[in-house]
Amino acid sequence: AQSVTQLGSHVSVSEGALVLLRCNYSSSVPPYLFWYVQYPNQGLQLLLKYTSAATLVKGINGFEAEFKKSETSFHLTKPSAHMSDAAEYFCAVKSGGTGRRALTFGSGTRLQVQP
Amino acid sequence: EPEVTQTPSHQVTQMGQEVILRCVPISNHLYFYWYRQILGQKVEFLVSFYNNEISEKSEIFDDQFSVERPDGSNFTLKIRSTKLEDSAMYFCASGELGTDTQYFGPGTRLTVL
Repeated sequence: AQSVTQLGSHVSVSEGALVLLRCNYSSSVPPYLFWYVQYPNQGLQLLLKYTSAATLVKGINGFEAEFKKSETSFHLTKPSAHMSDAAEYFCAVKSGGTGRRALTFGSGTRLQVQP
Repeated sequence: EPEVTQTPSHQVTQMGQEVILRCVPISNHLYFYWYRQILGQKVEFLVSFYNNEISEKSEIFDDQFSVERPDGSNFTLKIRSTKLEDSAMYFCASGELGTDTQYFGPGTRLTVL
């Protein structure tokens, strides 16, 4: 079975500081990994995805994530936080197996950006 | 930009009542999904639907749940006899053939009293 662990349910950074949101996965097959963002009262918006191509993936809004197989990690980073980045971030893994498409989500990390 | 829409945004119902949650997926998408998020918990997969049939479902998706694509644009989730523990945010998602990306709607908050 696939699983995702997000370390830190809340992360607070200052505006302009580095953002690092951690995600570790467990998978018996090569995973597909996703980061989604949820702004207040909105749905889940895809930030970026890893599907076995380049290990460093660039997404929207200046975010990127690096797939590290040896560490089973897919941490999300942004060099300089902006107030508008305040939201909840979810890491997700696509379940393995032919024809299986269900996403397994982590518990989410709420990012606060302090002025 | 095309987006997934869901109605209603908030549904309040009495325990034991039937509810139907509605979704309009992105028009050229062929895969459809329902997920739910109980307050304070993870987003959980319920069911996926392709080619007019369920392609995958979780253990949460028991006999009280059903899905339907009644026409070319809507995708619905029916809960036959709601329980208190069905209170959650329900998200619909859709995806294109040949990709793994799922595009989510804004959700319907279901409150069962």
